Amino acid sequence: EAGVAQSPRYKIIEKRQSVAFWCNPISGHATLYWYQQILGQGPKLLIQFQNNGVVDDSQLPKDRFSAERLKGVDSTLKIQPAKLEDSAVYLCASSLEGDSYEQYFGPGTRLTVT
Amino acid sequence: GQNIDQPTEMTATEGAIVQINCTYQTSGFNGLFWYQQHAGEAPTFLSYNVLDGLEEKGRFSSFLSRSKGYSYLLLKELQMKDSASYLCAVRNGYKLSFGAGTTVTVRA
Repeated sequence: EAGVAQSPRYKIIEKRQSVAFWCNPISGHATLYWYQQILGQGPKLLIQFQNNGVVDDSQLPKDRFSAERLKGVDSTLKIQPAKLEDSAVYLCASSLEGDSYEQYFGPGTRLTVT
Repeated sequence: GQNIDQPTEMTATEGAIVQINCTYQTSGFNGLFWYQQHAGEAPTFLSYNVLDGLEEKGRFSSFLSRSKGYSYLLLKELQMKDSASYLCAVRNGYKLSFGAGTTVTVRA
């Protein structure tokens, strides 16, 4: 079974630039999550999708972050414009159902904003 | 709000036992997860406790006391490959809230 795929693995941008991350969840997983993990901290949920609908985006900085999950499969997370404090690893995870019994994580995208 | 505390770092010798404690104060509770995360890699699932007591899975065991807001992960017969960060996460409804993680270093 293929795992959660993410790209790119690494990205370096300057502040005020834009960046987008892509995630392909495990086939058949209805629920998709985006997390932000700052160095030395645990992952923080940014947004959760159930199929192509948003379940929770309460911790997403909506003035600069946006996410979509068209057709209920792949998802993209965008930051525009980026700030220095956005430097982090962005993890995508998926689970079979919305009760998050077990989430499967992708390898993450390490973003450095200079 | 969510408050999940774990020690920052622990060091142990190969073959020994290490216990990682996690205390939590959360607005709701539906279960507690432990994840392992090697440097530069994604977290991987280790265990899930819903009821009080000890769950054993090979060299790893996890304990939960809901009344005390307390859990621990026990790693036995430590191996070098166990050097990693261990994340405690509390489930509240559909949401997981993670602790900052405990970095375990295994020395020969």
